[in-house]
Parts: sequence; C-alpha cells; structure tokens
Amino acid sequence: DIVLTQSPGTLSLSPGERATLSCRASQSFPSAYLAWYQQKPGQAPRLLVYGASTRAAGVPDRFSGSGSGTDFTLTISRLEPEDFAMYYCQQSGRSPPFTFGPGTKVDVK
Amino acid sequence: QVQLQESGPGLVRPSETLSLTCDVSGTSITSGYFWGWIRQPPGKGPEWIGTFHFGMVTYYSPSLQSRVTIDLDTTMNQLSLRLTSVTAADTAVYYCARQAGVYESSQWYPAQFDTWGQGTLVTVSS
Repeated sequence: DIVLTQSPGTLSLSPGERATLSCRASQSFPSAYLAWYQQKPGQAPRLLVYGASTRAAGVPDRFSGSGSGTDFTLTISRLEPEDFAMYYCQQSGRSPPFTFGPGTKVDVK
Repeated sequence: QVQLQESGPGLVRPSETLSLTCDVSGTSITSGYFWGWIRQPPGKGPEWIGTFHFGMVTYYSPSLQSRVTIDLDTTMNQLSLRLTSVTAADTAVYYCARQAGVYESSQWYPAQFDTWGQGTLVTVSS
C-alpha cells in the first residue's frame, strides 16, 4: 500500500504570506493520480488540484501543485482569509487502496 | 450541475448493518465516471471505502472488503453502501463522491474525487 505523509502537520502563517505544503509517498506512482483537497470545518473536501499540477475548475490561480515520483507540493502564493483550512493529498490509480494523507492545517499566526 | 446527496440512518447499533444511499442528480451514474464512498471519523482525515464503475470492476479498501458492498441502482440513479457488523470504530461522516478517471494502457483507472456530497454522520452506539 502507498502511504502518504504530509508536512508540516500545522502551518501558522499570516494573510498575504506564502504557504508550502508537502506530500511524500512511501513509493513512487504516476503524478496523474495525485490530488489535493481543501476542507473547512463542517464541509466536504473540495478538489483543488489533480494530476499533481492541474487546478480544478474555479480554483484561484494562487493555488499551484507540483512534483512527481514520491514528492509533491501544494503552494498557495498569497494566503487569503478563506484559505485557512485543512489540506489533504490523495493518491489513486492502478491498484487500491486509494489513500489520503493525514493532512496539513493552515491556521492564522 | 452535478449534485450528490447522502441519506440513511444517523444511528446504527453495534453488530448491525449500516446502509446508505447517494442520490445523484445532474448526470447519469452510467455516464462513464467512477463513483466512490469515503468516510471521515470525527477529528480525523478521510478514509477511502470503495469505488464502483458501471460495467467495470469494483474496488474496495482491503481493510473493509469483507464487510462492504457498493452498488448502483440505475433506475433511481443512486449509489448505495452497505457495511455489515459495525462497531464504534465505524462512526464517521460518510461521503459519496464522483471520481474522474485516467485513461492509460487501454483502460480507465480511478483518479481524483471531483464532486462530493455534503456527507452524513453515522454514529454506531447502543
């Protein structure tokens, strides 16, 4: 099974700052199968990025994804007040299980 | 606009069967997408349960495979989930979601969950 590790667990930043979130996999897999989600309290996860680097429809361009193999990154170029939330990476593809990372909480410093 | 809505009992007794349905609107469940169930225990991250594709193989989480069944009702345009022999560890918010696919090596494989229902909390307690 592919295990995803996210770091840091919590990222404390101020509005306007840059956020860099890491997702590392226990084994390599195609980047087509890596997605990032944002989740706010009481809400379902929202797809932000798929295929490691493609923004989902309606996602602001301050969100960008990169990486390949075992190391993936979600970057928020300038944090807006509505960006303070939990972020999860997720992998799927040719063989289950399809796993989520433990999440990174981005909160206000 | 594609919308998903989960429904089912909010309380299930230990050892009984959890049954949920997901009403899909705005598209047909036979449209070529995958359809999945994900759960999220209170205060924890999401956990994938299983993925179904009309006319293709069903994928289940190995940790739940012996207890879980996912099916489609094409007449009602619904996705269903059954989880048997539940315990308190199955207490979670349960989500249904549409899962897009990636085409490679002449086959479709499940990828990202692009549309989610609002989720329904199921508590396992006597």
